[in-house]
Amino acid sequence: DAKTTQPPSMDCAEGRAANLPCNHSTISGNEYVYWYRQIHSQGPQYIIHGLKNNETNEMASLIITEDRKSSTLILPHATLRDTAVYYCIVRASLRYGNKLVFGAGTILRVKS
Amino acid sequence: DGGITQSPKYLFRKEGQNVTLSCEQNLNHDAMYWYRQDPGQGLRLIYYSQIVNDFQKGDIAEGYSVSREKKESFPLTVTSAQKNPTAFYLCASSMTGSQPQHFGDGTRLSIL
Repeated sequence: DAKTTQPPSMDCAEGRAANLPCNHSTISGNEYVYWYRQIHSQGPQYIIHGLKNNETNEMASLIITEDRKSSTLILPHATLRDTAVYYCIVRASLRYGNKLVFGAGTILRVKS
Repeated sequence: DGGITQSPKYLFRKEGQNVTLSCEQNLNHDAMYWYRQDPGQGLRLIYYSQIVNDFQKGDIAEGYSVSREKKESFPLTVTSAQKNPTAFYLCASSMTGSQPQHFGDGTRLSIL
């Protein structure tokens, strides 16, 4: 699976959009980009995933560059409850045994 | 409500004891996983199972055992052979292909 690079931490004002970047320059054609977040002492929460098209759901939007070497997770109106560690993971599908490799992630602090 | 239930939330083990962590899912997912998370670290895969009555070792299987007698259940036993069992244990499940893994809220195991 391709390696990902994320900034160690970011701050965001409550009510503003939080844009979390992720670099995955060695991504392969069959690898998806997944985003999870983990709030302290809880299990990781799935947010969104995509292959090459931009995706949106009730939680966030995922923007993937045309060359697929980077992506951005957008939380449109961040709240204090969005403070968490956000993980960008690249993984090929079609194989059950493909473990999720969580790196250090980005600590997002939403401030009032 | 569909989801993954892990119990107990907190567990204490005496030296030399085996303990079993429960994981149940009602999402009708075929695959189930066990991860271990140490403070400030990412997740590491212990065991995974793609179908009933079949499971494979992950990266750190030594000192652990699992069973998969039912589709919805994947219990993990931490044996006395696991010398450093204190950690946060996370269970996950998924369907096929690109579908994401979903996690339970974890069990925190400590040694008395």
